[in-house]
Amino acid sequence: AQSVTQLDSHVSVSEGTPVLLRCNYSSSYSPSLFWYVQHPNKGLQLLLKYTSAATLVKGINGFEAEFKKSETSFHLTKPSAHMSDAAEYFCVVSPYDMRFGAGTRLTVKP
Amino acid sequence: DAGITQSPRHKVTETGTPVTLRCHQTENHRYMYWYRQDPGHGLRLIHYSYGVKDTDKGEVSDGYSVSRSKTEDFLLTLESATSSQTSVYFCAISTLAGEDTQYFGPGTRLTVL
Repeated sequence: AQSVTQLDSHVSVSEGTPVLLRCNYSSSYSPSLFWYVQHPNKGLQLLLKYTSAATLVKGINGFEAEFKKSETSFHLTKPSAHMSDAAEYFCVVSPYDMRFGAGTRLTVKP
Repeated sequence: DAGITQSPRHKVTETGTPVTLRCHQTENHRYMYWYRQDPGHGLRLIHYSYGVKDTDKGEVSDGYSVSRSKTEDFLLTLESATSSQTSVYFCAISTLAGEDTQYFGPGTRLTVL
């Protein structure tokens, strides 16, 4: 069995400040982990994925995530938020079937 | 963007009526998925397909059926729609199962009155 917990339902940051979106996972297998982003009234877009290679994964738009097995975490970070980063972010665990977290809504204040 | 379209994009229907949603892909990917998205739940898998005429249930399959007669089309049917099936439905595709990246369609907003 596998599951994902996104620790914050809503995160608010100011433009230019760092972003941290937290994700803990549970998996009986060696997991694959993903972060997807959903802008309002849009489909989901892959930001990055971890599949047992390097533990620090770089994605699009300056985002990155670090896989920490000892902490069962896969937190998403960005050094400097931009207004266009405002969206909903989903952490996802695999393999065998993808389980989505409930999502974190990121608000970016000017 | 992956070539995935969903139709219709919006639909309002009444309780007890049948509804079919269509997902069409131009990528020739083997795997296709239907999810529903509800506030506080993220996306939950309804059904998926691993080939023509090969389908299986997901996490929330009750009240839904699917069919895949061609590689490019995956249909989701609500035989008798209920208000609890009001949701946004997303189709996704992938070349492999499990760890492979899934590419999502634009979604269908379904309202059951």
